[in-house]
Amino acid sequence: AQSVTQPDIHITVSEGASLELRCNYSYGATPYLFWYVQSPGQGLQLLLKYFSGDTLVQGIKGFEAEFKRSQSSFNLRKPSVHWSDAAEYFCAVGARGNAGNMLTFGGGTRLMVKP
Amino acid sequence: DAGVTQSPTHLIKTRGQHVTLRCSPISGHKSVSWYQQVLGQGPQFIFQYYEKEERGRGNFPDRFSARQFPNYSSELNVNALLLGDSALYLCASIWGVGPNTGELFFGEGSRLTVL
Repeated sequence: AQSVTQPDIHITVSEGASLELRCNYSYGATPYLFWYVQSPGQGLQLLLKYFSGDTLVQGIKGFEAEFKRSQSSFNLRKPSVHWSDAAEYFCAVGARGNAGNMLTFGGGTRLMVKP
Repeated sequence: DAGVTQSPTHLIKTRGQHVTLRCSPISGHKSVSWYQQVLGQGPQFIFQYYEKEERGRGNFPDRFSARQFPNYSSELNVNALLLGDSALYLCASIWGVGPNTGELFFGEGSRLTVL
């Protein structure tokens, strides 16, 4: 069975500082990997996804993530955080052959941004 | 274009009652999935439907059921409600199943409170 671990429940960064959110997955093969963002009271919005190819993936809102097979990781990064980035971030894994369906999510990381 | 729409947005039920949640996918999307998000946790997969057939089911009791209609809209039904069923229920749609079927789009959810 696949699983996702997000080790950091809460992270606080200053506006303008860099950000890295950690994600580790467990899956028997190379999975499909996703990062979603959820603002309070909202649904989930896809930031970026990795299916194959280049292991550094660019997403929306200036986010990027790097797939590292040897570490079973898919960490999310942003060079300069804006106050509007405060939200909850979820890493998710999907089984190959079923693309964006039947995702397994991590527990989430709540990002707070200090002015 | 309208996104994934869910109704009702909020509802309160008492233990033992039944609830029906509704979801309309994005136009052109033929697959609908349901996720349960308990407060403070990541979403957990409940069901996926494609062309009115169940294509996947998560680890949920038989009290949970769903169906998809010819217009691709969907209902999630939960019988004999328990306090632990209190959660945000998210519907998501995608145009198909299998690899390379694009992005999973989420609605804003139906928040169920069981008293």
